[in-house]
Amino acid sequence: AQRVTQPEKLLSVFKGAPVELKCNYSYSGSPELFWYVQYSRQRLQLLLRHISRESIKGFTADLNKGETSFHLKKPFAQEEDSAMYYCALRMDSSYKLIFGSGTRLLVRP
Amino acid sequence: NAGVMQNPRHLVRRRGQEARLRCSPMKGHSHVYWYRQLPEEGLKFMVYLQKENIIDESGMPKERFSAEFPKEGPSILRIQQVVRGDSAAYFCASSPSVGEQGNTIYFGEGSWLTVV
Repeated sequence: AQRVTQPEKLLSVFKGAPVELKCNYSYSGSPELFWYVQYSRQRLQLLLRHISRESIKGFTADLNKGETSFHLKKPFAQEEDSAMYYCALRMDSSYKLIFGSGTRLLVRP
Repeated sequence: NAGVMQNPRHLVRRRGQEARLRCSPMKGHSHVYWYRQLPEEGLKFMVYLQKENIIDESGMPKERFSAEFPKEGPSILRIQQVVRGDSAAYFCASSPSVGEQGNTIYFGEGSWLTVV
């Protein structure tokens, strides 16, 4: 079955430290991977999608099909990055998003 | 563009009452999705609707839950005879079309239902 795994519930780092939020997926077809961010009870906002290969707010993510991973990285964390981060998978030509359980990132001053 | 609008943002219901959650998609979007987020869990797909049609309700509980997206007006997620386990955040999302790689789904701010 298709699944998205985010192994860390909470990741706490100090400001300026590098950040890596892990995401692994299981899907045998051609996946489309996304990262969404949710600031304190606000709407989920699309942060990144693998097909656009862009960097938003300093975050990047590379799809590694060999390791079935789509880890989110940022070299220097900022306090305003503190939020919930969700990795999501969409199967080819599908409308459903399959979400991981989320990782709360806490960036301390 | 105001984005996906959901109301109410917070709703408290007693066990056995009905909860109605409304969602207005982004302008120009005719595809609506509902997701549920239980405490400490990720979002789970519930239902996908187009105007006047339910396309996929495979994620919706068979009983007490229903959804509609009428020709005029917002999409409604209705939960009858609520129980404590229905307490969750309900997110609505919309998109202009489906099936295209790169098509973005936009989420609303969610409706938090608390059953007491």
